[in-house]
Amino acid sequence: DVKVTQSSRYLVKRTGEKVFLECVQDMDHENMFWYRQDPGLGLRLIYFSYDVKMKEKGDIPEGYSVSREKKERFSLILESASTNQTSMYLCASSLWGGSPSYNEQFFGPGTRLTVL
Amino acid sequence: DQQVKQNSPSLSVQEGRISILNCDYTNSMFDYFLWYKKYPAEGPTFLISISSIKDKNEDGRFTVFLNKSAKHLSLHIVPSQPGDSAVYFCAASRNNQGGKLIFGQGTELSVKP
Repeated sequence: DVKVTQSSRYLVKRTGEKVFLECVQDMDHENMFWYRQDPGLGLRLIYFSYDVKMKEKGDIPEGYSVSREKKERFSLILESASTNQTSMYLCASSLWGGSPSYNEQFFGPGTRLTVL
Repeated sequence: DQQVKQNSPSLSVQEGRISILNCDYTNSMFDYFLWYKKYPAEGPTFLISISSIKDKNEDGRFTVFLNKSAKHLSLHIVPSQPGDSAVYFCAASRNNQGGKLIFGQGTELSVKP
């Protein structure tokens, strides 16, 4: 079974702090994704990565950066946390390939971040 | 611009009856569609998918229907069970987009005993 783990389930930070959210997957997936989930807005893609040291902006990258130094690990960084970044953050991974079934993404349990 | 829309934020159904969750999309280039189920405090889990070359895919109690001309898909759950109570997200993807998914806003299903 694919396992995607996230470093924290709940996190409380103060405005202006630098925040690191870590995600690790154990199935050698090429693709990794960071989303945030907010009520009424669904899952919105922040950043994704096809390979080590590769990153692509998603739909809402402002205020975030990412790092992928190893294939299994994808980090989301909030350089200076703000209250509007209070949200549920979800990490996902998937295989890379031509088959549409490769589009199935496997999600971690999420990190509920509160910025005060 | 919301390319994938789930216009019903919530749905309440009696146990044993059919649940129908709807999803509309605007981009005709989407060629693969997925449904995910999410319980509170857990990540979404994959439920069922359908390719644009099909109009129906069935897996046990779950059936997804695709109407390409209407750019509409629906998820049918028969019979509904209390354990089906969760938030359901539809998602769409395009070929050659590296597996990137576009998600709808979600529909919260409540199945009452």
